[in-house]
Amino acid sequence: KAGVTQTPRYLIKTRGQQVTLSCSPISGHRSVSWYQQTPGQGLQFLFEYFSETQRNKGNFPGRFSGRQFSNSRSEMNVSTLELGDSALYLCASSFPNGTGVYQETQYFGPGTRLLVL
Amino acid sequence: LAKTTQPISMDSYEGQEVNITCSHNNIATNDYITWYQQFPSQGPRFIIQGYKTKVTNEVASLFIPADRKSSTLSLPRVSLSDTAVYYCLVGGINAGNNRKLIWGLGTSLAVNP
Repeated sequence: KAGVTQTPRYLIKTRGQQVTLSCSPISGHRSVSWYQQTPGQGLQFLFEYFSETQRNKGNFPGRFSGRQFSNSRSEMNVSTLELGDSALYLCASSFPNGTGVYQETQYFGPGTRLLVL
Repeated sequence: LAKTTQPISMDSYEGQEVNITCSHNNIATNDYITWYQQFPSQGPRFIIQGYKTKVTNEVASLFIPADRKSSTLSLPRVSLSDTAVYYCLVGGINAGNNRKLIWGLGTSLAVNP
């Protein structure tokens, strides 16, 4: 199976612009999560989509939004970019196994490196 | 508030066994423990997952005591290529039947020759 793919891999934007990042999950995976990672920080959870619905949301401002399409592909949008938005944005997909003891392994893409100037 | 705590950094030498312990005092009954490895400018890569006792795969072992308030990732005979950041994750579902993910801040492992 092909892994999680993210496009673009690198992006340079200026303050005030907006950006859209794309993620294609592993075939058959219906859950897609987005994370922001900055130097020295752990993974900061942005939001998760499952079957085109936002299922979970982290503590980020409304400038960060996302959506998921019927084929499970997901996009993340950041409007009015700020310098502090420079980060590695990671997408992860997973497949719920539906058992009583809930476990999901997240499979991460390589990330999109966003630089805001 | 649930929290996952792990050491910020560790040093080791090639050929040694490395044990990284993660503390998760408020783990819930149905939560699983997963460890990920991350190299610079790459996404985290799944290493191992467990619920209780001991789990072993081709790259690592995971030890979880009976109270499940901590877990230890064991990397046997590390090599230079094991230099990476290792993340502990406690995951499950919350009261609203939504995903719950509690990530540690990562342990930066440096393997020296």
